[in-house]
Amino acid sequence: AQKITQTQPGMFVQEKEAVTLDCTYDTSDQSYGLFWYKQPSSGEMIFLIYQGSYDEQNATEGRYSLNFQKARKSANLVISASQLGDSAMYFCAMRDEGAQKLVFGQGTRLTINP
Amino acid sequence: DGGITQSPKYLFRKEGQNVTLSCEQNLNHDAMYWYRQDPGQGLRLIYYSQIVNDFQKGDIAEGYSVSREKKESFPLTVTSAQKNPTAFYLCASIWPGRGSTEAFFGQGTRLTVV
Repeated sequence: AQKITQTQPGMFVQEKEAVTLDCTYDTSDQSYGLFWYKQPSSGEMIFLIYQGSYDEQNATEGRYSLNFQKARKSANLVISASQLGDSAMYFCAMRDEGAQKLVFGQGTRLTINP
Repeated sequence: DGGITQSPKYLFRKEGQNVTLSCEQNLNHDAMYWYRQDPGQGLRLIYYSQIVNDFQKGDIAEGYSVSREKKESFPLTVTSAQKNPTAFYLCASIWPGRGSTEAFFGQGTRLTVV
């Protein structure tokens, strides 16, 4: 069975600092994809970054990078130079490429302080 | 413009009544999903469908039912058997090809039992 674990319910960071949000996963599938989403207080889900299980390089999208350690089954999100607008809930998710089941972690609430 | 439309945005239901939440997409995606989100919590998978006329239970399917008669539509019925239906419900769709990098989400339906 697939499972995503986010162990940080809340994080508080000073503006302009880098922040790492932890995500570990469990799956028996060989082919899967890992996602990070941002959810502001409005409730919309904003896609941030994707990492395929066969991708050898860590994914990057602007200020976002994904620290993928396959052997440790971790997919941490790194946000560089945090901004006040980064304050939101962040969700890690995994999709197996076979059954297409897409599951999410419990989320981390990130608060950026000025 | 392509996207996912959920309706209604807010829904009130009396105890003991069934209610159906609508989810329509014009993205030509095969895979569609329903999630439940409780305050401060993650997204829990209710049902998902890979193709028309086929769907699978997620982690919390009890008290819910779905249908997938058309590729574009994946309605969710919250039945009277669901003991605690008050929650935020999100619908998503994704093109299921390997390496597909993004799930599109609707704006959500906030259901309140009165």
